[in-house]
Amino acid sequence: SQQGEEDPQALSIQEGENATMNCSYKTSINNLQWYRQNSGRGLVHLILIRSNEREKHSGRLRVTLDTSKKSSSLLITASRAADTASYFCATAPLNSGYSTLTFGKGTMLLVSP
Amino acid sequence: NAGVTQTPKFRVLKTGQSMTLLCAQDMNHEYMYWYRQDPGMGLRLIHYSVGEGTTAKGEVPDGYNVSRLKKQNFLLGLESAAPSQTSVYFCASRLPGEETQYFGPGTRLLVL
Repeated sequence: SQQGEEDPQALSIQEGENATMNCSYKTSINNLQWYRQNSGRGLVHLILIRSNEREKHSGRLRVTLDTSKKSSSLLITASRAADTASYFCATAPLNSGYSTLTFGKGTMLLVSP
Repeated sequence: NAGVTQTPKFRVLKTGQSMTLLCAQDMNHEYMYWYRQDPGMGLRLIHYSVGEGTTAKGEVPDGYNVSRLKKQNFLLGLESAAPSQTSVYFCASRLPGEETQYFGPGTRLLVL
């Protein structure tokens, strides 16, 4: 069964607006990662946050992690049309021995010019 | 440096036919993974390998076999394809000391 569940399933915004996506998971984790998938392409790693971290930034991306609520959020600031893609959270469960990731179902983001 | 490549890009099979999907990486990664992606389901792990000659089952291994005879290649086999195996298949790889996975472009498989 899948570990992560993203919310919302789809999000439509205008260029320049901020986009927030949420991810909830079920079991204890080593780390949580966010990936982007452009239509018809493979996934690309965006950012990783470890279980002992609460917030992390990378360029226009801000990720938060609340291990007590088993949830994470990805904020994309000042969105651009090129940010249109699907975004997936992926968790490395504690019992996976660091080998595997479990992906959520993704959020489809549409940024209109 | 090509990264992770997958062959073929697209394939149509009839029910009962067999085929092998090839994943190759030139980054000297120890760990390799096969996922399937279905609409509304995200990615699900089929099999993975933590080194040459080793393989392990993921979440949805039934109907698939894998082999890792060379470090740079990870093969996914369908012995008798079924329509339920219609999907997009992604391969990924990574180093043991890093958590980031690097993905290939995917193989679209249609089983009629």
